[in-house]
Amino acid sequence: GAGVSQSPSNKVTEKGKDVELRCDPISGHTALYWYRQSLGQGLEFLIYFQGNSAPDKSGLPSDRFSAERTGGSVSTLTIQRTQQEDSAVYLCASSRDRAYEQYFGPGTRLTVT
Amino acid sequence: GENVEQHPSTLSVQEGDSAVIKCTYSDSASNYFPWYKQELGKRPQLIIDIRSNVGEKKDQRIAVTLNKTAKHFSLHITETQPEDSAVYFCAASESRSDKLIFGAGTRLAVHP
Repeated sequence: GAGVSQSPSNKVTEKGKDVELRCDPISGHTALYWYRQSLGQGLEFLIYFQGNSAPDKSGLPSDRFSAERTGGSVSTLTIQRTQQEDSAVYLCASSRDRAYEQYFGPGTRLTVT
Repeated sequence: GENVEQHPSTLSVQEGDSAVIKCTYSDSASNYFPWYKQELGKRPQLIIDIRSNVGEKKDQRIAVTLNKTAKHFSLHITETQPEDSAVYFCAASESRSDKLIFGAGTRLAVHP
């Protein structure tokens, strides 16, 4: 079946502009995660959605970052007033339930100029 | 909350040798421990996982061991091949939320 998809695959934006990144999880997966990965670095947790529970936003680095998940499926990560340090690959992952294998999307490479 | 530490950060071995990567965790109630492999420019993919009711699990050249008393788990790769070269991440589930907490990663290089 279809895996996790993300769009766009690449995004170049000017400093100060807002961007929206989209994640389509595997159908039926109740858990959805967003991570950020800078070049050569590890997986920085951003936000976690699980079913109808309130999202765990503890990893969001500033109030410029927000995310929502509509209808328990598609998620969008919004970065307002982008800064150069926001440049990274943003990865989305979904899993069928709590504490199960996460399937990662291909990521969105964000470059802020 | 859960904290996961991973060692070493880099590992270089000769083809055919074994490689071992170790992780420690802080939440004694954690019950799920996956390992992910990330090749250059690609997304992380699960290679093996273990739950807290099992001490060891093997899949061909890959094995994971779990010591709940000491709160550590390890990835063992035998007969390493150049295609094993990648970054490996361990993770542990946080008991309060079941959120996965990742280690910082180990860059493995297998030299022919």
